[in-house]
Amino acid sequence: AQSVTQLDSHVSVSEGTPVLLRCNYSSSYSPSLFWYVQHPNKGLQLLLKYTSAATLVKGINGFEAEFKKSETSFHLTKPSAHMSDAAEYFCVVSDEPGTYKYIFGTGTRLKVLA
Amino acid sequence: DSGVTQTPKHLITATGQRVTLRCSPRSGDLSVYWYQQSLDQGLQFLIQYYNGEERAKGNILERFSAQQFPDLHSELNLSSLELGDSALYFCASSVGHTGVNTEAFFGQGTRLTVV
Repeated sequence: AQSVTQLDSHVSVSEGTPVLLRCNYSSSYSPSLFWYVQHPNKGLQLLLKYTSAATLVKGINGFEAEFKKSETSFHLTKPSAHMSDAAEYFCVVSDEPGTYKYIFGTGTRLKVLA
Repeated sequence: DSGVTQTPKHLITATGQRVTLRCSPRSGDLSVYWYQQSLDQGLQFLIQYYNGEERAKGNILERFSAQQFPDLHSELNLSSLELGDSALYFCASSVGHTGVNTEAFFGQGTRLTVV
């Protein structure tokens, strides 16, 4: 079965400094991986996705993630945090081929300090 | 705006009652998914419909049921409600099947409070 582990439940950064949100996955298959963001009282918005094309994936709002098979990781990064980045971030893996559901990580709450 | 519409946004009801949550997928999307987000369980997949037929089932309680109508909108029915059913319920839609080079687009959710 597939799974994802988000290594930090909370991350605090200062505005203008880099962001790193860590995600490890477990998969018996070549996975599809996603990062979603949830702003307070809002729905889930797709940031980026990996589907076995380029290992470095660029998303919206300056975020990117690198798929590293050898480390089974899919960490999310951004060079410079903005106050508007404060939100909860979810690493997601698609379930096995033939099933059609997402498996969500437990989420990382990003706090951006002025 | 993802294009997925969920109504109502908020719902407060008493234990033992029954409620219906509604979801309209993005135009052209055939798959609809329901997820539950609660403090203790996190985000969990409940059920998926594809073009009117149930496609996959997750951790959905027997008290809960769903359906997808010919116009592709979906309803999630929750009955005999318990305090623990209080959660944010998300609907998502996608063109094809999640996990096959597609992604799901999520609505803003329905916050259910059971008192």
